[in-house]
Amino acid sequence: RKEVEQDPGPFNVPEGATVAFNCTYSNSASQSFFWYRQDCRKEPKLLMSVYSSGNEDGRFTAQLNRASQYISLLIRDSKLSDSATYLCVVNLNTGGFKTIFGAGTRLFVKA
Amino acid sequence: DTEVTQTPKHLVMGMTNKKSLKCEQHMGHRAMYWYKQKAKKPPELMFVYSYEKLSINESVPSRFSPECPNSSLLNLHLHALQPEDSALYLCASSQDWSETQYFGPGTRLLVL
Repeated sequence: RKEVEQDPGPFNVPEGATVAFNCTYSNSASQSFFWYRQDCRKEPKLLMSVYSSGNEDGRFTAQLNRASQYISLLIRDSKLSDSATYLCVVNLNTGGFKTIFGAGTRLFVKA
Repeated sequence: DTEVTQTPKHLVMGMTNKKSLKCEQHMGHRAMYWYKQKAKKPPELMFVYSYEKLSINESVPSRFSPECPNSSLLNLHLHALQPEDSALYLCASSQDWSETQYFGPGTRLLVL
């Protein structure tokens, strides 16, 4: 089993749609959680940190469920510019620091 | 300012060459990272430096040699690479190891 697993893509949605991405992690030593987006041939950029209390930034809402070891990202009112790969990222300390990226979910938003 | 800079942007090298990738940040971050990313795959962690000390080496081949001269700089020395080492090499930094990482634009490496 992979340490961080994401929904398989791609997701093809029309503009204005709501889309949800899920991510699960297997190691209970995981300490911090993030969503990044990556555009083609560019570096990953932070979208949001993820907390148990949930956090919202405009059209984006992220949630962490430690009991189920599950992270989610909700995008409301999708824009064409939201088309990208969304990466779930987990930091853990198992005697050494480690950052693990999920495989990423590709999103295509169409007019 | 959340800028991480990397040089060069592109690099072509032969299997017998020695080259170095450079990374710099001036955000006062104490953790710096090297990642390797192949096409259509997520970044894979290679090295982590925390407070200028190598904290983790993800079983990377010895032909990759990291160096952290000071808290703002991170180098990756390359020697005797293989064609399968061709990839995007990303540098990142964070305030501390568990905090948000900020990525540089990467160096696109081609090994012939």
